[in-house]
Amino acid sequence: IAGITQAPTSQILAAGRRMTLRCTQDMRHNAMYWYRQDLGLGLRLIHYSNTAGTTGKGEVPDGYSVSRANTDDFPLTLASAVPSQTSVYFCASSVEGATGELFFGEGSRLTVL
Amino acid sequence: DAKTTQPPSMDCAEGRAANLPCNHSTISGNEYVYWYRQIHSQGPQYIIHGLKNNETNEMASLIITEDRKSSTLILPHATLRDTAVYYCIVRISMEYGNKLVFGAGTILRVKS
Repeated sequence: IAGITQAPTSQILAAGRRMTLRCTQDMRHNAMYWYRQDLGLGLRLIHYSNTAGTTGKGEVPDGYSVSRANTDDFPLTLASAVPSQTSVYFCASSVEGATGELFFGEGSRLTVL
Repeated sequence: DAKTTQPPSMDCAEGRAANLPCNHSTISGNEYVYWYRQIHSQGPQYIIHGLKNNETNEMASLIITEDRKSSTLILPHATLRDTAVYYCIVRISMEYGNKLVFGAGTILRVKS
C-alpha cells in the first residue's frame, strides 16, 4: 500500500534553478494539496486541486505553480528558486466530500542556496 | 475564517490520559473540528474529527462543548510514541471542496 509518494525526499538547489517536486497518490482521491512547513509557522497551503483539470491558490502561492493532468499526479514547480523557498514540502490528498480527512506524504526537504 | 487557539506545549506522564484543549470561539455551525498530529518530521496524521457530538475511535476521544466554542482531545493512555505536535483545526470550506489551515499546534511530551 503506497498511499502518497513524494520525490525527491531531499534536494539542495542553487538559487535561480527550476525544480519540480513530484507527488503521486494511488487512492483515487479527488482532491490534492501542497503545503510547506517552516519552523514556527506551521503548515501553510500553497496550492490545491479539487479534481483533475482544476487548481486553486492557497495561502502562499507566489513563486509556485501546479498542474493536475490526471487524478494521481500533482507536481509542484518552482520556476526560479529563491532561498526563502527553503522548506519542507508536504503533499496531501483527500476524498472530496463531507469528512475531508487528509492523507499526507512523508515530505520533501528542499534547500535553496 | 474560524481560528483555533492551543497551548504551545504540554507534558503528560506515560500511561496517564493526555487532555489537549482547543478554543475555537468563532466556529460556524457547519464547520467541523479536526485533530491531526505530527510525529518528528513525518507527514501529519489524521486522528479524529467531529461536528457537535463527542466522538471516539481507536486512537482518541473528542469532546466538543455544547456551544462548540472549545474542544478537548483525549488520549486515554498516553505512550512515549504519542509525543508529537497536535493540531486542532477548524475546516474552512472552499468553492468545491475543503481545505485545512494548520496553526502552531501543541507540543505534547509524554514522559516515563
